[in-house]
Amino acid sequence: AQSVTQLGSHVSVSEGALVLLRCNYSSSVPPYLFWYVQYPNQGLQLLLKYTSAATLVKGINGFEAEFKKSETSFHLTKPSAHMSDAAEYFCAVSPTGAAGNKLTFGGGTRVLVKP
Amino acid sequence: ETGVTQTPRHLVMGMTNKKSLKCEQHLGHNAMYWYKQSAKKPLELMFVYSLEERVENNSVPSRFSPECPNSSHLFLHLHTLQPEDSALYLCASSQVSQGNYGYTFGSGTRLTVV
Repeated sequence: AQSVTQLGSHVSVSEGALVLLRCNYSSSVPPYLFWYVQYPNQGLQLLLKYTSAATLVKGINGFEAEFKKSETSFHLTKPSAHMSDAAEYFCAVSPTGAAGNKLTFGGGTRVLVKP
Repeated sequence: ETGVTQTPRHLVMGMTNKKSLKCEQHLGHNAMYWYKQSAKKPLELMFVYSLEERVENNSVPSRFSPECPNSSHLFLHLHTLQPEDSALYLCASSQVSQGNYGYTFGSGTRLTVV
């Protein structure tokens, strides 16, 4: 079975500082990987996805993530935090191929941005 | 309308009530999902419908009953719920294919059981 672990349920960053959210996955074969963001009282919005093309993936709102097979990681970064980045972020994994539609989510990391 | 729409946005119900949550997707997707999001717990996949057939039911209590009359609509019928069922219920849709392009989520229904 596939799983993801997000290190740190809460992260606090200063406005303008680097945002780094960690995600490690467990899978017998390289999976598809996703990052979603959830703003208060909203559903989840797709930030970016890795589907076995380029290992460095750029998403919306200035976020990017790098797939590292040797580390089984897919960490999310943004060079400079903005107040609007305060939200909860979820990493998710799915199998590839025809069965590749089931998403398994991590526990989420809540980001607080300090002025 | 576009995307995935969930109604109502908020629902308060007594433990003896019967209510339904509705989800509608306007994306032409062929799979729909119900997730439960409780405070301090990971997202829990409840039900999966692919091509209008239920393909997954993750040990969800029978007081939750899903219905998928067509590929655009998904319902979650609720009856005799417990206070611990209070949560945000999220609907999502996707296109089942060889590639996974991710899910599109609705804004959720915030359910409070009193």
